[in-house]
Amino acid sequence: AQTVTQSQPEMSVQEAETVTLSCTYDTSESDYYLFWYKQPPSRQMILVIRQEAYKQQNATENRFSVNFQKAAKSFSLKISDSQLGDAAMYFCAYNPSQGAQKLVFGQGTRLTINP
Amino acid sequence: EPEVTQTPSHQVTQMGQEVILRCVPISNHLYFYWYRQILGQKVEFLVSFYNNEISEKSEIFDDQFSVERPDGSNFTLKIRSTKLEDSAMYFCASSPLSKALENSPLHFGNGTRLTVT
Repeated sequence: AQTVTQSQPEMSVQEAETVTLSCTYDTSESDYYLFWYKQPPSRQMILVIRQEAYKQQNATENRFSVNFQKAAKSFSLKISDSQLGDAAMYFCAYNPSQGAQKLVFGQGTRLTINP
Repeated sequence: EPEVTQTPSHQVTQMGQEVILRCVPISNHLYFYWYRQILGQKVEFLVSFYNNEISEKSEIFDDQFSVERPDGSNFTLKIRSTKLEDSAMYFCASSPLSKALENSPLHFGNGTRLTVT
């Protein structure tokens, strides 16, 4: 079975600085999708960024980028120029390429932004 | 931007009671999901639903659980006889397509916090 591990329960960063959140996963599949979701205090799960395993290029969305290392099964999220609104719980998630969107989530990393 | 809406935001029920959690998916979406998050634990997949039937379900989704799309807009999760361990945040989600293609990520609601006493 697929598993997703986030080894950092909590992280903090100074406003305007850069922070990297770690995620590793385990799968025997060769094609799949990876996601980072953000869960602010409002509780809604918001998609931050997605990566398709067959694409070698790392995904970027404005201040958010990933470092996808397929062989190492690593999928870290880099947040540049951190803003107070980035404070949230961040979840890494794996989705197989076939079938329903049955996401497998990591435990989450709580990110605090220090002004 | 259209949103998935869930009601109520917090539900308290006594052990053994039936509870129905309600969701209104985004109107043009065809695939619907329930996930749950027990306090301090991972978010877990419960069930996916398409074309008025369950397409996949997890081991958690036993006979105590059922889902229904009673009309063209609502998607419900029913727990027949709640147990203490059913206390969790329940998230509804929807997507326009079955796969996590570029234009069809999962859209989650704000969740319903279920407390079983």
